[in-house]
Amino acid sequence: GQQLNQSPQSMFIQEGEDVSMNCTSSSIFNTWLWYKQDPGEGPVLLIALYKAGELTSNGRLTAQFGITRKDSFLNISASIPSDVGIYFCAGQPPYGGSQGNLIFGKGTKLSVKP
Amino acid sequence: ETGVTQSPTHLIKTRGQQVTLRCSSQSGHNTVSWYQQALGQGPQFIFQYYREEENGRGNFPPRFSGLQFPNYSSELNVNALELDDSALYLCASSRERGREQYFGPGTRLTVT
Repeated sequence: GQQLNQSPQSMFIQEGEDVSMNCTSSSIFNTWLWYKQDPGEGPVLLIALYKAGELTSNGRLTAQFGITRKDSFLNISASIPSDVGIYFCAGQPPYGGSQGNLIFGKGTKLSVKP
Repeated sequence: ETGVTQSPTHLIKTRGQQVTLRCSSQSGHNTVSWYQQALGQGPQFIFQYYREEENGRGNFPPRFSGLQFPNYSSELNVNALELDDSALYLCASSRERGREQYFGPGTRLTVT
C-alpha cells in the first residue's frame, strides 16, 4: 500500500532556530495536510494544501505541496518552546480504493536542545 | 463552535470483550473518520462515514464496525478484543468528503 516517508524522525531545536521537515511518497496525493500532536492529545491541523505547487503560511509555519504531488515540506521559522511536539504529514490519495483515507507519516519529534 | 468530542477518555477491557467508542462531530460537519494510533506511530485509517453510509475502509478486520447517526455523530465498535487492539482511537470530522479532517482528543483503549 501507499506509504509516506517523513524525515527527520527527530530533531532538537534551540529557541529562535528555523526548522524544516518533509514527506515523500511513491504515489501521488490530492491533498497534503500537516498536523501537530502533543502527548495524550489528538492531532491538531496546522496547514492544508490542495494544489500542486501551492505554498501556504500559517503564522511562523509555511508548507508547500510538491509539484510532482508526491512530496511536501513544512518550515517553522524562529522556533519557540511551545513548538515542541510531534509533527505528522498526511496525504489523501485520489478517490478510489479506500475512500476518505488519510495516510500518515511516522512523525517528526521536535525536542528542546539540552 | 464546538470541536470534535470523544468518549470515554480512557477504557480498560479484557481480551475477548466488546467495546463501543463514541464521537460527536464538529458543528456543520457531515463526515466522520476513525483512526487507530499505536504508540510511536502515525494514525492508521479504520473507516469513514458520510451521511450515515460507510464511505471507505482501511485494512481492519470485520470485528471493527461503525455507525453514523442522523446528527452525524458516530460509534466505533470492536468485538472480540485482542491485546493488539490497545491503542489511541481517534475520530476526525470534516465538512465534506475530501476536505481537511479535524481530530478529537481520542480514546485510550487498553486491552489486558
